[in-house]
Amino acid sequence: DIQMTQSPSSLSASVGDRVTITCRASQSISAYLNWYRQRPGQAPNLLIYAAYTLQSGVPSRFSGSGSGTDFTLTINGLQPEDFATYYCQQSHSIPLTFGGGTKVET
Amino acid sequence: QVQLQQSGPGLVRPSQTLSLTCAVSGDSVSSSTAAWNWIRQTPSRGLEWLGRTYYRYQWYNEYADSVKSRITIKPDTSKNQFSLRLDSVTLEDSAIYYCVKSRFINNWFDYWGQGTQVTVSS
Repeated sequence: DIQMTQSPSSLSASVGDRVTITCRASQSISAYLNWYRQRPGQAPNLLIYAAYTLQSGVPSRFSGSGSGTDFTLTINGLQPEDFATYYCQQSHSIPLTFGGGTKVET
Repeated sequence: QVQLQQSGPGLVRPSQTLSLTCAVSGDSVSSSTAAWNWIRQTPSRGLEWLGRTYYRYQWYNEYADSVKSRITIKPDTSKNQFSLRLDSVTLEDSAIYYCVKSRFINNWFDYWGQGTQVTVSS
C-alpha cells in the first residue's frame, strides 16, 4: 500500500495568511494526487485533483503543485471558511489511501 | 447535480452485521465513468477507503485487505443505489461511514454522502 504523510499535522494562521501544506507519498505516484477540505461535521470536499487542477467551483486562492512523491497545497489569502482539516489522497493505485490530515486553526 | 443519500442504523451489536444503503440521484450506478465507494473515518485511523463497485460490461468489486473477508458492496440497478455490508463487526468498526462517487480511472472522490455515524456497542 502507498503511505501518505502530511505535514504539519496542525498549524495556526489568520485570515489573509498564505498557508502551505505538504504531502509525501511512500513511492512515486506521478501526479495522481488529490486534495480535500473537511469542515467540522461535514464530509470532505474535493478541492484539487491530479495534483494541480482546480475542481469546478473551488476558489482560485487554492493551488496545488508537485509530482512524484512530494506535493504542496497552497491557500493564498486564508478565508474564515478555510479553517478546517485538509487531506491529501493518492489515486495511483488500489487501495486508495489518504494522508493523516492537517488542521488549520486560528 | 449528483446527490448521494445514505440510510441505515446508527447502532450495531458486536458480532452482528453492519448494513448501509446509498441512494444515487443525478447519475447512474451503471455509469461507465464512475465507481461507487465506501469510506469510513475515525479519529485514530483517519479516512479509510473500504472498497468499491463499478460496471464495465459486467460488475466488479475491489476491497481493502483490512476488511476483505467481511465486506460486500453491491449495486441495485432497479433502485439506482448501492449498499455496504460488513459482517462480524467489533468495537473497532465504529466510525462515520460515507458513500462516495469517484471518477473511474482517475480515482478522485467528487461526490460524498452526508455520512452515517455507526457505533458498535452491546
